[in-house]
Amino acid sequence: KNQVEQSPQSLIILEGKNCTLQCNYTVSPFSNLRWYKQDTGRGPVSLTIMTFSENTKSNGRYTATLDADTKQSSLHITASQLSDSASYICVVNPFNAGNMLTFGGGTRLMVKP
Amino acid sequence: KAGVTQTPRYLIKTRGQQVTLSCSPISGHRSVSWYQQTPGQGLQFLFEYFSETQRNKGNFPGRFSGRQFSNSRSEMNVSTLELGDSALYLCASSVPAGGTDTQYFGPGTRLTVL
Repeated sequence: KNQVEQSPQSLIILEGKNCTLQCNYTVSPFSNLRWYKQDTGRGPVSLTIMTFSENTKSNGRYTATLDADTKQSSLHITASQLSDSASYICVVNPFNAGNMLTFGGGTRLMVKP
Repeated sequence: KAGVTQTPRYLIKTRGQQVTLSCSPISGHRSVSWYQQTPGQGLQFLFEYFSETQRNKGNFPGRFSGRQFSNSRSEMNVSTLELGDSALYLCASSVPAGGTDTQYFGPGTRLTVL
């Protein structure tokens, strides 16, 4: 069983709308939880990194939240743009594991005009 | 600063052959990690190098190996290629290893095994 589960697998929204992507994880203990954006044919780009003690982290229109008690994280995208069309990947860094990251399967977001 | 570069970008090999992929990290970055991305398994950690030493290794067979040079450049090698090795191989670098350091990914090498 994957230790990082994301939902939904795919999502279509209209330009300008908001959306929220979910991530449930079982990795424990962990050092930090990350959200990456991956455009088709490119390497992932870091959006946010939260330590286990942080509850929220923002990067422009992207806001990530973390609830370590329920082992859930979410990524909220505000006022979506066409360029937000990409895969969004939730990543958990286990404690004391260097960069031995555990990846979720990703949510593929499509923003339509 | 130039980003992480990977060469080659595309590669086609046949079963049984071996392949070497190269990664040049961002200048000043000493940690290099390798990942495999496939449609079925998603992204999976292969190994991590820091100051020419392998710090961590993922759950991959011994056919997958790597090394890091004194200038932090890294190579990974896959011997006796199998069809299932077809994937996008991504390299990422960061300043030190682990923690909350941002990893910067390269564009990847797409390997196709026929």
